[in-house]
Amino acid sequence: GQQVMQIPQYQHVQEGEDFTTYCNSSTTLSNIQWYKQRPGGHPVFLIQLVKSGEVKKQKRLTFQFGEAKKNSSLHITATQTTDVGTYFCAGRVDSNYQLIWGAGTKLIIKP
Amino acid sequence: DAMVIQNPRYQVTQFGKPVTLSCSQTLNHNVMYWYQQKSSQAPKLLFHYYDKDFNNEADTPDNFQSRRPNTSFCFLDIRSPGLGDAAMYLCATSRDWSSQYFGPGTRLTVL
Repeated sequence: GQQVMQIPQYQHVQEGEDFTTYCNSSTTLSNIQWYKQRPGGHPVFLIQLVKSGEVKKQKRLTFQFGEAKKNSSLHITATQTTDVGTYFCAGRVDSNYQLIWGAGTKLIIKP
Repeated sequence: DAMVIQNPRYQVTQFGKPVTLSCSQTLNHNVMYWYQQKSSQAPKLLFHYYDKDFNNEADTPDNFQSRRPNTSFCFLDIRSPGLGDAAMYLCATSRDWSSQYFGPGTRLTVL
């Protein structure tokens, strides 16, 4: 079946270091969404990417959608303690309503 | 503020004792979803309503049922909870297939 693979599962960083999570789909996506879930919280929508090669920025967060619309990444520059949580990508395939969720990448800030 | 509300936030039930979780929204979104999320996993879609049309995921157990009496409210009924049904249950809404807004979730414990 259709899958969205997300890596890594966990990433430990020192505060101030950068963080990146990657998603790869087995099929072409019509769009991809990113969500953040804080510990003990619920997923919160961050952004949606639709166009091939699209790059969007939100302050220290940079989101990319690949040219083939099969992969995406989220990069956080100079992580802060407020960035802690699990980041999920969720892709939608053409002609199918369903969001296919990645497994998530948990960002852990080392003390 | 427009929002998604879930009640109760915590629910404890006994093995086999039916339980109902509720969700309400003030966003006037036409799509409502129920997800199950277990620890360190991505949310798993159980079913969704597009307006009044109910859509059940193929692997959602028959033990799970849902009702949507009007645009604002949606209920999740678990007819005979088993130990494996202990999880966080998340309600989400969206306008058509756009970004999803999640409620805070109901954490279900099965004794």
